[in-house]
This record gives sequence, C-alpha cells and structure tokens, in this order.
Amino acid sequence: SQKIEQNSEALNIQEGKTATLTCNYTNYSPAYLQWYRQDPGRGPVFLLLIRENEKEKRKERLKVTFDTTLKQSLFHITASQPADSATYLCALDTTGKSTFGDGTTLTVKP
Amino acid sequence: GAVVSQHPSWVICKSGTSVKIECRSLDFQATTMFWYRQFPKQSLMLMATSNEGSKATYEQGVEKDKFLINHASLTLSTLTVTSAHPEDSSFYICSAILMGHYSNQPQHFGDGTRLSIL
Repeated sequence: SQKIEQNSEALNIQEGKTATLTCNYTNYSPAYLQWYRQDPGRGPVFLLLIRENEKEKRKERLKVTFDTTLKQSLFHITASQPADSATYLCALDTTGKSTFGDGTTLTVKP
Repeated sequence: GAVVSQHPSWVICKSGTSVKIECRSLDFQATTMFWYRQFPKQSLMLMATSNEGSKATYEQGVEKDKFLINHASLTLSTLTVTSAHPEDSSFYICSAILMGHYSNQPQHFGDGTRLSIL
C-alpha cells in the first residue's frame, strides 16, 4: 500500500542550527513533491515545490532535496529562528491531487 | 496574491443541524478546489475534489449525501455537512489552485473551519 512517513513527530533544535526534516514514501511515483508549513489552528502555507527531475531547490533559508531512487525528500531550514517553529507537511502529487504526510512539529528554542 | 478565505472559522451547533462552510478565492479564479478534514495531530485527509460547474469527486469512504459540495462559480465552493453528529466534529480546510493550472502548482489553503457538534 502507499505510504508517506515524516521523521519523528517532533523535532527540537537550538536557534541558529540547521533543522532537517525527512519525508519518505513507498509505492508512489510522484511527479513532484511539495512542502507546506502549518501553524496551530491555521491552514497550510506553501513553501517549496520540487519536480521529479530536480535534485535540489532553494528559497532563502530553505532547501529541499528529492531523491527518487531513495524515495526520500529532505527539507532543511538553515540558521533556524524561533519563528520557524511550526508543523511542516510534505505532500506528494500523482494524479492531480495531493497526499499529505502526518507532519513534523519543529520547535526552535532561543 | 492567491488568497483563499474560508467562513466561518468556527461553529458550534447541536446534533442534527446542517452546517454550511464557504471557501472563496479572493484574488484569483479557481477551477478546482479541494476539501480536506484534519483530526488533531494528524494530516489532511482529502474528502473531495470540487470542479466548477460539475459534480464533485469524492474520495473512497466519504459519503456524498452527508457532505454536499457545490462549486457554483470560479471563486466559490461550499461544503454542507448535513444532519451533523458529534463524530463529524473536526477541522475542515479548503484549498484552491489557479484556473488553468491543474498539475505542478501549489495549493492555496483557507484557514480552516473548526466544527464542534454537541
């Protein structure tokens, strides 16, 4: 069966460090993968999209990698700040609709 | 740009009541809107895909007579939870994608509706 797993439900790091979140999937062949941020009681906000033929994408302090052989995407936040604390969701897109992982809640401590 | 407004943001009502949730794209036209349901500490579960001018496509296990979806214009989709019961209590979120773009585009989400059925 198809499955999306995001590493650890919660991740705590110190301000200034790099946060690395993992999204692993099985039995999918996604055309592209997206990362979203969700704050408590709010809808998700789009961050980055990476296509299957792209290995890496960057946007300011964010970096996403996509390894279709390993079936894994890594999401990095460099120079993390307390304001980066939120739940981060990965989403796989196959036939025109998205399937979301359960998310990883990141807490950046000052 | 690409703002999606969802209303109401929260609602509390008695069992047996029908509740309507609106999802509007404020500054763009959306051919397709999606409706999700989210339980605490869980991910978004797609309920249905709403296409302007046609019937919604429901995911397996979602009762179409229970969750009525209407997408009457390019900027508005509504979800009506009919005869709601306590087990329907959840966080409902809509999203929209830009008209003319069906794949390879991000979804723009509303801020969700917290539904509590007593």
